[in-house]
Amino acid sequence: DVKVTQSSRYLVKRTGEKVFLECVQDMDHENMFWYRQDPGLGLRLIYFSYDVKMKEKGDIPEGYSVSREKKERFSLILESASTNQTSMYLCASSFTHLPNYGYTFGSGTRLTVV
Amino acid sequence: DAKTTQPNSMESNEEEPVHLPCNHSTISGTDYIHWYLQLPSQGPEYVIHGLTSNVNNRMASLAIAEDRKSSTLILHRATLRDAAVYYCILRKRVVQGAQKLVFGQGTRLTINP
Repeated sequence: DVKVTQSSRYLVKRTGEKVFLECVQDMDHENMFWYRQDPGLGLRLIYFSYDVKMKEKGDIPEGYSVSREKKERFSLILESASTNQTSMYLCASSFTHLPNYGYTFGSGTRLTVV
Repeated sequence: DAKTTQPNSMESNEEEPVHLPCNHSTISGTDYIHWYLQLPSQGPEYVIHGLTSNVNNRMASLAIAEDRKSSTLILHRATLRDAAVYYCILRKRVVQGAQKLVFGQGTRLTINP
């Protein structure tokens, strides 16, 4: 069964810490995405990548960076975690040239910054 | 990005059909219509997609208006497990690069026993 795996389901970090959220997909998808989801605000795109070492800013990139060194892995980095980054983080992947294929999402990482 | 409009919430009874509407009046000719659902504390999951013709799969049916400016996700016989938030999204065909999915607020579907 194809899947997107996020390294942690729940994470608690302290303000100012550097935080790494990892995402791995086994479907050979070109595209990978990081979203955050907050009550009342829905899913918002942070960053995405369409190839190894390529990255594009989404709608809310401030305070985040990403890394894609291998096709199957896309990391989200919180350089200095703040309490307003407490959220559910969702990773997704997709093919580029097949718009008739859906996106596959991970189960999410619920991050709490204290 | 072309936008979609959905009702914030809908309610239905178990074992009855459910019709979830979506308006996308600014859709372009190459946009695919995708539907996703999201269960509590889970990531969204793909339900169905279509371009021009109506589509059926084991989960649901998708009815697309002739002018493509609206579509309806049909759950033929709702169960309690269908209670979720349903998102209608337009996905463009791109030559290269990634095409991001833009999520609206979706429709929260409640199923009454």
